[in-house]
Amino acid sequence: QSALTQPRSVSGSPGQSVTISCTGTSSDVGGYNYVSWYQQHPGKAPKLMIYDVSKRPSGVPDRFSGSKSGNTASLTISGLQAEDEADYHCCSYAGSYTYVFGTGTKVTVL
Amino acid sequence: QVQLVESGGGVVQPGRSLRLSCAASGFTFSSYGMHWVRQAPGKGLEWVAFISNDGSKKYYADSVKGRFTISRDNSKNTLYLQTNSLRAEDRAVYYCAKGSEMGSSSSFDYWGQGTLVTVSS
Repeated sequence: QSALTQPRSVSGSPGQSVTISCTGTSSDVGGYNYVSWYQQHPGKAPKLMIYDVSKRPSGVPDRFSGSKSGNTASLTISGLQAEDEADYHCCSYAGSYTYVFGTGTKVTVL
Repeated sequence: QVQLVESGGGVVQPGRSLRLSCAASGFTFSSYGMHWVRQAPGKGLEWVAFISNDGSKKYYADSVKGRFTISRDNSKNTLYLQTNSLRAEDRAVYYCAKGSEMGSSSSFDYWGQGTLVTVSS
């Protein structure tokens, strides 16, 4: 159960797009279409942003999108806004009712 | 609205135990699987354990297997995590999270605010 690999940080100016990668193995990310993404502001609980690779819960802006290719999933934030500055965590189902999270990425809005 | 409120955290010596609780409201607790997820200071999230809606299935991360026990009382709408033989590396904020009702149900759609466990002599 090794953590999925995410870049430590990404940054962009307001209005730009940023993409966060999440790399696992064929036993987790590559084996299931069950990747989710969570936004976490400092001192707050995580919030579900994307589930099942690319689906958005009600209320999540459509500038957030998810995708997957092989063992790597990605979260793209288009039209970056100041309130998007936060930590982002990916998570994948890993079989037998177990899950593995990513190392986390800090998004900075310049 | 859905609310999850954790309690039971605190400072404990290595090797000792704590029982964490998560009081749920705003949804039919007995219909959903529930999880514990933890976050060490300044680190990423780590999935800890899962329990099915009726308590019949329980699964754990390797890092806590044999030391932690997840349970639930559907009559009290409460989730528990019994943490035994605590180690310094168990120091973290512990969140309870509801198994999602969306899609495959393989995500966590609501989270509590967390309870901090500190293991120190």
